[in-house]
Amino acid sequence: AQSVAQPEDQVNVAEGNPLTVKCTYSVSGNPYLFWYVQYPNRGLQFLLKYITGDNLVKGSYGFEAEFNKSQTSFHLKKPSALVSDSALYFCAVRPTGANNLFFGTGTRLTVIP
Amino acid sequence: EAQVTQNPRYLITVTGKKLTVTCSQNMNHEYMSWYRQDPGLGLRQIYYSMNVEVTDKGDVPEGYKVSRKEKRNFPLILESPSPNQTSLYFCASRQTQGAPNTEAFFGQGTRLTVV
Repeated sequence: AQSVAQPEDQVNVAEGNPLTVKCTYSVSGNPYLFWYVQYPNRGLQFLLKYITGDNLVKGSYGFEAEFNKSQTSFHLKKPSALVSDSALYFCAVRPTGANNLFFGTGTRLTVIP
Repeated sequence: EAQVTQNPRYLITVTGKKLTVTCSQNMNHEYMSWYRQDPGLGLRQIYYSMNVEVTDKGDVPEGYKVSRKEKRNFPLILESPSPNQTSLYFCASRQTQGAPNTEAFFGQGTRLTVV
């Protein structure tokens, strides 16, 4: 069965510090991996994706994510957090050849001024 | 502007009163889907559609219906809503033909409360 795990419900980080939001997955084959962000009272906004190639992918708002095949992980990172980064972050996986997305349970990031 | 539009954004209704949440996309996407978001459970897929007149169940289809008569529209129908369908609903669309790697675009969400 396909599954996506975001082990931390909540991540707190001080403004200016680096942040990491963790994601691991259990999916057959070589999946496509995505990160989405949800701001209050807004829909999900696409941040970045990994399809193939370089394990470090860069996305919107200065975010990046590192794909690790051996650990089946796709952690979201940012070198210097901003208060405006505070939001709910979702990791999602789409198995190769499939059309459906499988989501993690979300991680609420709070950046403390 | 490319977008997925859901209506209404907020809805409070009573148990058993049929309702429809509309979803429309202006990107000519083939694939559309509905999700519900509940605390601690993330997003779970309700129904999806590969193209016009092609729909299929997702992970949590019970109590919901959908239709896809036109490519741009994918309404979600609750024939007899119950309180356990109180949730935040998202519609999404994605291009699939000739573009297997694309990301999904999401609507703004519909917060439904069934009392």
